[in-house]
Amino acid sequence: NAGVTQTPKFQVLKTGQSMTLQCAQDMNHNSMYWYRQDPGMGLRLIYYSASEGTTDKGEVPNGYNVSRLNKREFSLRLESAAPSQTSVYFCASSEASPGANYGYTFGSGTRLTVV
Amino acid sequence: GNSVTQMEGPVTLSEEAFLTINCTYTATGYPSLFWYVQYPGEGLQLLLKATKADDKGSNKGFEATYRKETTSFHLEKGSVQVSDSAVYFCALSDPNTGNQFYFGTGTSLTVIP
Repeated sequence: NAGVTQTPKFQVLKTGQSMTLQCAQDMNHNSMYWYRQDPGMGLRLIYYSASEGTTDKGEVPNGYNVSRLNKREFSLRLESAAPSQTSVYFCASSEASPGANYGYTFGSGTRLTVV
Repeated sequence: GNSVTQMEGPVTLSEEAFLTINCTYTATGYPSLFWYVQYPGEGLQLLLKATKADDKGSNKGFEATYRKETTSFHLEKGSVQVSDSAVYFCALSDPNTGNQFYFGTGTSLTVIP
């Protein structure tokens, strides 16, 4: 089925380790986003990419980096994981920038635990 | 700035009960409004949307009306089913602020037989 695919689904890291969360969409969407979901806080935007070749910070970018590898793929990297980054991470895509009116298509999430 | 406030959960209802989940918003411009649903272990799915004042979004028996005068977008369903158990998120997208959606904190709904 067409949609947004995230890998891995689960990950446990030790403090200080690095990892990259992968996201790919096959809907030819221009815009892609990374959110984190924490209890009682809803979804908070980490980074977004309005189009291939561009990336911008969202509400909570510290400790993260992103790469828009091509139109399909948008990865999120944790260079030195901290327990505060324990969360569920969602990638999303949207048909057109700025995403208004079209809604997002979300991946199924990556549950990350940092110990 | 932009923000979304939705009612605190969790909400527990009996099957066939009436559902209302309140959502109010603050926006600098003229936003589009959305309800998303998240089933256990899954990502968020778009449930319904409304793009201008007085529009009514509807899907799967759920509906919400964009009320500019009260800055609200309450979600309703006349008769809930066990399969409606999920977390519901209200969200807005403001064209004036570019790419960002603003989400409420989510309301957990459990429907018991």
